[in-house]
Amino acid sequence: NAGVTQTPKFRVLKTGQSMTLLCAQDMNHEYMYWYRQDPGMGLRLIHYSVGEGTTAKGEVPDGYNVSRLKKQNFLLGLESAAPSQTSVYFCASSYSRTGGSGANVLTFGAGSRLTVL
Amino acid sequence: AQSVTQLDSQVPVFEEAPVELRCNYSSSVSVYLFWYVQYPNQGLQLLLKYLSGSTLVESINGFEAEFNKSQTSFHLRKPSVHISDTAEYFCAVEGGATNKLIFGTGTLLAVQP
Repeated sequence: NAGVTQTPKFRVLKTGQSMTLLCAQDMNHEYMYWYRQDPGMGLRLIHYSVGEGTTAKGEVPDGYNVSRLKKQNFLLGLESAAPSQTSVYFCASSYSRTGGSGANVLTFGAGSRLTVL
Repeated sequence: AQSVTQLDSQVPVFEEAPVELRCNYSSSVSVYLFWYVQYPNQGLQLLLKYLSGSTLVESINGFEAEFNKSQTSFHLRKPSVHISDTAEYFCAVEGGATNKLIFGTGTLLAVQP
């Protein structure tokens, strides 16, 4: 059971470089999310998608772009990395927008640790 | 707007002792409440959830949480912890017009032998 897979697991970038984080899920979930986790700040939602071809902004979208060309994949891009984007990034997916329906909750990937020098 | 407060950033406890991790939320509407657990170097996993009905909910590994509407709390408890319970625990709330899931800042449970 793969669940949610994130690649790469680790990456070091220099300021100004670009990169893409890939999230893949094999559960046929409609909704996908990108969070960042920083010490003392919990998880903050960057962008999310409610279905193939759709994306929306979360709490902290600046400096990031996303795409959902295929239902199973959700890509997070950094066009010009900054040290403030040093963080651990988590992808998650669910049947519904959040766990509110009662039957569905978020399934998380293992995380991608990004360091921007 | 909804918010979640976890007052304790770290809770040290000895093995086999009881523990309570505190969570308070604010919301003007009915909410759904969750506890997620993150073991070292892993993603978050659902521990338990409150949606409706009985205010006391339990997990399969001995944790329980009680929804207290009057105190707007959803504290997590376990009567006897194990070393393997060492992890970071996140409280989360969903509800209101946006239906977004809002996470607390997390509490690190450090179980010592």
